[in-house]
Formats: sequence, structure tokens, C-alpha cells
Amino acid sequence: GAGVSQSPRYKVAKRGQDVALRCDPISGHVSLFWYQQALGQGPEFLTYFQNEAQLDKSGLPSDRFFAERPEGSVSTLKIQRTQQEDSAVYLCASSQGQGGTMRISNTGELFFGEGSRLTVL
Amino acid sequence: AQKVTQAQTEISVVEKEDVTLDCVYETRDTTYYLFWYKQPPSGELVFLIRRNSFDEQNEISGRYSWNFQKSTSSFNFTITASQVVDSAVYFCALSENRDDKIIFGKGTRLHILP
Repeated sequence: GAGVSQSPRYKVAKRGQDVALRCDPISGHVSLFWYQQALGQGPEFLTYFQNEAQLDKSGLPSDRFFAERPEGSVSTLKIQRTQQEDSAVYLCASSQGQGGTMRISNTGELFFGEGSRLTVL
Repeated sequence: AQKVTQAQTEISVVEKEDVTLDCVYETRDTTYYLFWYKQPPSGELVFLIRRNSFDEQNEISGRYSWNFQKSTSSFNFTITASQVVDSAVYFCALSENRDDKIIFGKGTRLHILP
């Protein structure tokens, strides 16, 4: 597609429910990131994929959070037994970066989706 | 550990005024990268600029300019002759050479008043 697409745009869940958030990166982009952005805060890194490999999941706040990208394109962020503190906008970003000179650090350009706003009641 | 501080939470200026957004960073790496992103009300983060730690030349792009000073660990962003369309949240960010993770500051909300 033309840009990074995320769905759903808005999700309301009752505390304890499981949710799944989907990210469709730009076609051909190797790297995919998930960020969590609480109200009035900057995006906080959650996890990073290069193709289907999850290279860094150090930002996932608890074992209730799980991300996958089984075929190296679409990614799903799953949150089990949601809590109120999980309420945030979840941003997905992709990049051509694939190591070497194409690393994010060298190109700098992450393409972000519009995010999925999760509200846990 | 890497850290980005944007001390200005919110700024309001009248249209056509110049405005500078401050950014101070911390890193133990000698090779690192600094970024600015814009987040308009639609929510989508838009890449503005990347600088690497070896390039301290200031950059100008139209009404935007960036001042990188390693001596003070700062990477400030100036908008000249501001316009209402510049109203957004602006994030400064840092990436260390060891990985592709980008760490964001808390952002500065900029209001340009007509």
C-alpha cells in the first residue's frame, strides 16, 4: 500500500479482555517497529522486527504483550488480559532498513501509521 | 543509557514569529544519530531530519533550521516566520549506532496563533 496501515483505529476493551492490533507496513519494508504512546507523552519503543525475526523486544512492558510477524510483512501486537494502564495509542512504523548502510541509523526515516488508540475500561 | 529531554512542554507564538524548540540528549556512544519528527493532529509521525554525530554542520530547509552542538549535547530546531500549519507536537529523538531503536523525547506541543 501507499503507507503504513493500522487497524483498528480505535478499540475499546473491558479490563481483562484480550486485544489484537494489526499493522500493514509499506510493501517491501524490511524493518518494523511497534511503539506505545501514552497521552501527552512521546512514543515508547516496544519491539522491532527485521523480516520475520524479532530482534529486540526489550520494550514490551510485561509478558501480557506479544508481537509477531510470521511472514515478514503484516505484524500483530497482542495484549492479553488488558489493564487500564495499557490505554494508549499503539504506533507501528516501517523502514527499508535492513542492516549495513540501510540501517535506520543511516537513513533515519521511519514511516509511521496513524496508530491504534486503545482504551481499556 | 540513552535519553532525550525536551524541556518545553508547550509553546504558543503568534504567526510569523520565529520559535526555537530545545532538545538535549544523553548517550555513551560516540556514534549516534539525532532526529526530529512532527506529529500533526492526525497522529501520524512525520520525519523531518536526521543528523549523525560526526556532522555538526547546521542545516537549513526552507523555514526550518537545526543547530547541533555536541559540546552542549543539544540539537535545537528553529522555525522561522511560523505559520498556523506548523502547529503540531514536535519530537526530538536519538538512535545509538549499536541498534536501530529510536528513542523519543516527550515532545513539545507548538501552537501557532493566527
